[in-house]
Amino acid sequence: NAGVTQTPKFQVLKTGQSMTLQCAQDMNHEYMSWYRQDPGMGLRLIHYSVGAGITDQGEVPNGYNVSRSTTEDFPLRLLSAAPSQTSVYFCASSRDSGNQPQHFGDGTRLSIL
Amino acid sequence: GESVGLHLPTLSVQEGDNSIINCAYSNSASDYFIWYKQESGKGPQFIIDIRSNMDKRQGQRVTVLLNKTVKHLSLQIAATQPGDSAVYFCAEILPSQDTGRRALTFGSGTRLQVQP
Repeated sequence: NAGVTQTPKFQVLKTGQSMTLQCAQDMNHEYMSWYRQDPGMGLRLIHYSVGAGITDQGEVPNGYNVSRSTTEDFPLRLLSAAPSQTSVYFCASSRDSGNQPQHFGDGTRLSIL
Repeated sequence: GESVGLHLPTLSVQEGDNSIINCAYSNSASDYFIWYKQESGKGPQFIIDIRSNMDKRQGQRVTVLLNKTVKHLSLQIAATQPGDSAVYFCAEILPSQDTGRRALTFGSGTRLQVQP
């Protein structure tokens, strides 16, 4: 198993551009989530999904969209990139939403100029 | 290199000593807690978890203690090794406000530096 795979690993955007961060897992996990990690802030939850077709907002959802058309994939879309969205983005998955540890990808490092 | 964690509290220990990393959690309704280790340039890696019906849980070289009275969690690492150098995060499961779905909330982390 590859686990949780995130692409791209690095990306530089200009303000106002849009893009999609990809996340795929091959563990047949129902629960997937996106976090952003900023210096001194820990990880903050952006959006999450408890299964295909179901998504919900986390702590910092503004400026981001998600969809969950399949169990394996959970893409994160930046609608109009802003410098405040410069961060490291992590995708995670777990067997269910409640009582299982999450498995993380290695992150996408995103810079908005 | 990784810029995350520039302002994190740092614990510096000698190789072979025991390390204790502390975490205060926010919600008395949280009933599941996890410790993660994050090395530079990597995603968080699961270390150990504990449920609220327990006070202590042991793994290989690691022990987690839970004090629900004061909402405090600690991670003890025995015989700390240079490979243990990383940022450590505690995380709690909070019930969702709307639907009962459960979301993971992370603390801000502690950097562990192991001196050879």
